[in-house]
Amino acid sequence: DAGITQSPRHKVTETGTPVTLRCHQTENHRYMYWYRQDPGHGLRLIHYSYGVKDTDKGEVSDGYSVSRSKTEDFLLTLESATSSQTSVYFCAISSRDAANEKLFFGSGTQLSVL
Amino acid sequence: SQQGEEDPQALSIQEGENATMNCSYKTSINNLQWYRQNSGRGLVHLILIRSNEREKHSGRLRVTLDTSKKSSSLLITASRAADTASYFCATDPLIQGAQKLVFGQGTRLTINP
Repeated sequence: DAGITQSPRHKVTETGTPVTLRCHQTENHRYMYWYRQDPGHGLRLIHYSYGVKDTDKGEVSDGYSVSRSKTEDFLLTLESATSSQTSVYFCAISSRDAANEKLFFGSGTQLSVL
Repeated sequence: SQQGEEDPQALSIQEGENATMNCSYKTSINNLQWYRQNSGRGLVHLILIRSNEREKHSGRLRVTLDTSKKSSSLLITASRAADTASYFCATDPLIQGAQKLVFGQGTRLTINP
């Protein structure tokens, strides 16, 4: 998947526990994104990054934080997981330095919060 | 927030037939993109059409864009079983400072052998 690796691929956790999802790219692209996908809602942007230590909120950012200390890694953290955060999470990168053009997606992380 | 809406939500056709999916959006855009998602996988970019373009082709794909109607269509000709997937449109809003694509909910396409 275009040099994007998400880990873990599957995660089951309990309500109230912290969870961190990792996205690693080998493409050296500037822009990275975290989306969640839920039935009936399509893909919704959680957070995005436009460079090392440069991040901003997306449409559904409440309950999530992100960090990008290196170009290749973009971490998504659920500080205290809730059942409403059960979802499939996708990381994506832009194809070049321009944002919003030809995103490449990882294979996704299926997160279940019990 | 602006959102692309695909129509129909689900489409089932016979192999060899053409499949047409539509996308409508609400505000002005820089570009519109179509993505495919196979079950259990990430999205794959298919084609991008800019706001100053009216039609674009890529292999068996044909995309049209009508900015006056704020709508786009994706045509897949001579469909194959491997085209079975969900198809999403995504719009890049023409808003200063916007750094995000907005995805629709998708059309689930089934190609019957």
